Amino acid sequence: AQTVTQSQPEMSVQEAETVTLSCTYDTSENNYYLFWYKQPPSRQMILVIRQEAYKQQNATENRFSVNFQKAAKSFSLKISDSQLGDTAMYFCAFMGNNDMRFGAGTRLTVKP
Amino acid sequence: SAVISQKPSRDICQRGTSLTIQCQVDSQVTMMFWYRQQPGQSLTLIATANQGSEATYESGFVIDKFPISRPNLTFSTLTVSNMSPEDSSIYLCSVGTSGGRETQYFGPGTRLLVL
Repeated sequence: AQTVTQSQPEMSVQEAETVTLSCTYDTSENNYYLFWYKQPPSRQMILVIRQEAYKQQNATENRFSVNFQKAAKSFSLKISDSQLGDTAMYFCAFMGNNDMRFGAGTRLTVKP
Repeated sequence: SAVISQKPSRDICQRGTSLTIQCQVDSQVTMMFWYRQQPGQSLTLIATANQGSEATYESGFVIDKFPISRPNLTFSTLTVSNMSPEDSSIYLCSVGTSGGRETQYFGPGTRLLVL
């Protein structure tokens, strides 16, 4: 079974600085997708970024980028120029042949 | 991406009653999913609902407790039956693109409190 591990329950960062959230996963599959979702206090799950495992190039979406290390089964999220609106729970997710699996989440607080 | 709405957005219910949550999508989708998010926890998949077939339930979830309907390609309902305080959670529906294997987009969630 696939497992997704987020080892940082909570993190904080000063506004305008950079922060990296960690995620590791375990799978025997070769083709899969990885995601980072953001859940602000409004509880809406918002897709932040997506990575296809067959692509070596790391995905980037504006201030959000990932460091995808397939051999190490690592998928970290880097948030640059952090903004107060980035304060939220961040969930790493894995989608293989079966269902989407989520990590336990990292609560990120951006401090003014 | 799809625009997804859920009703109700929140509710407070009495023990032993049932609540039906609606999920509406602005486009036709094959796969819809229902998740539960208990307080302070991550998301757990309850079931996958494909139009025209019975919902597929994950281990620990049964149809008698969480009956699901999927009458067409834009709508689904989840009923939480015979509720207890342990059912207090956020319930989220999501829709899958490309057969559900690529990306899931989520509705705003329904916050349920059972007294």
